Amino acid sequence: GEDVEQSLFLSVREGDSSVINCTYTDSSSTYLYWYKQEPGAGLQLLTYIFSNMDMKQDQRLTVLLNKKDKHLSLRIADTQTGDSAIYFCAESLEGRRALTFGSGTRLQVQP
Amino acid sequence: DTEVTQTPKHLVMGMTNKKSLKCEQHMGHRAMYWYKQKAKKPPELMFVYSYEKLSINESVPSRFSPECPNSSLLNLHLHALQPEDSALYLCASSQTQGGAGETQYFGPGTRLLVL
Repeated sequence: GEDVEQSLFLSVREGDSSVINCTYTDSSSTYLYWYKQEPGAGLQLLTYIFSNMDMKQDQRLTVLLNKKDKHLSLRIADTQTGDSAIYFCAESLEGRRALTFGSGTRLQVQP
Repeated sequence: DTEVTQTPKHLVMGMTNKKSLKCEQHMGHRAMYWYKQKAKKPPELMFVYSYEKLSINESVPSRFSPECPNSSLLNLHLHALQPEDSALYLCASSQTQGGAGETQYFGPGTRLLVL
């Protein structure tokens, strides 16, 4: 079945690295996504990774995928106060157009 | 340009009102989606349109009626809503080319309050 799980909350200091984790259960995932949602706003696509990759880097963002353990992580280097938001991981499954979202991780960045 | 626009940004309506939410994209995407998001929860899929035809209805009550008049526009008609329908309604679109073409781009949402 489909199940995507995330921890609910992460607090870091400005300038530190943040690592947000996600686990999923369906091995037929094709693409895995990270979205950012600021208060009262829509979802902003941050990055995505194809399921046959194990790492993708995009400026301050690094995505790591461990397909064996069905574990996805998002590392934000040099975290800034503007990075404070809720981060959702999501998976798309073969033959299914809809995304399955995790519950979201609230990142709080302290100055 | 990866922009999806939604109007209005905020909407307050009574339970006897009829209103519509609008979504527009000019990226040439042929799949469009409506999601509902309650506070502190992830988005939940409501409807998917593919090439202007309804392809997925996630058992949404008939008081929500989607419409896709053309490939750039998606509407959600609201009638006789309940207070528990208050939520952020998000529209998204994707290319439908398969693979990374299924990547969904979201609009800013319409925050709906039903009194």
